Amino acid sequence: AQTVTQSQPEMSVQEAETVTLSCTYDTSESDYYLFWYKQPPSRQMILVIRQEAYKQQNATENRFSVNFQKAAKSFSLKISDSQLGDAAMYFCAYRRDTGNQFYFGTGTSLTVIP
Amino acid sequence: NAGVMQNPRHLVRRRGQEARLRCSPMKGHSHVYWYRQLPEEGLKFMVYLQKENIIDESGMPKERFSAEFPKEGPSILRIQQVVRGDSAAYFCASSPRDRGRQANEKLFFGSGTQLSVL
Repeated sequence: AQTVTQSQPEMSVQEAETVTLSCTYDTSESDYYLFWYKQPPSRQMILVIRQEAYKQQNATENRFSVNFQKAAKSFSLKISDSQLGDAAMYFCAYRRDTGNQFYFGTGTSLTVIP
Repeated sequence: NAGVMQNPRHLVRRRGQEARLRCSPMKGHSHVYWYRQLPEEGLKFMVYLQKENIIDESGMPKERFSAEFPKEGPSILRIQQVVRGDSAAYFCASSPRDRGRQANEKLFFGSGTQLSVL
């Protein structure tokens, strides 16, 4: 079974600084997809970034980038130049190449300190 | 183009009552997914539906829970004889087609329904 582990229940970062959120996963598949979702207090789940496992290049979306280590089954999210609006719960998620289930981690609550 | 709409946003039920949660997918989307988020946990897949068909209900409890997505109208997640353990946030997501190998397609989430069972 696929499992996703986020070992940091809470993190904080000073505004304008950089923070890294950790995620590891367990799978026997070779093809899959990884995602980071943001959940602000509004509860809306917002896709932040996604990575295809067959791509070696780390995905980047503006201030958000990932460090994807396939052999280590690690998928961390780096947020640069943190802004107050980045404060939210962040969920790491795994999805097989086929199928419709997402497997989510338990989340990391990020606080941005002004 | 409105996003995924869920209602009600908050639902309070007493033990033994029925809960009905509604989800209207984004316009043009014919695939709906329901997830449950328990406190301190991530989202857990419950069921995947297309119009008038249940495709995958492997994550849904066998008893008391049912889901439908009729030809017309919203998708409904129904919980009969609710118990305190059913208290959770229930999220609906939609996509325009079977995600299959189209994993690059975004899954659009609603804002959830918070169910509280007294």
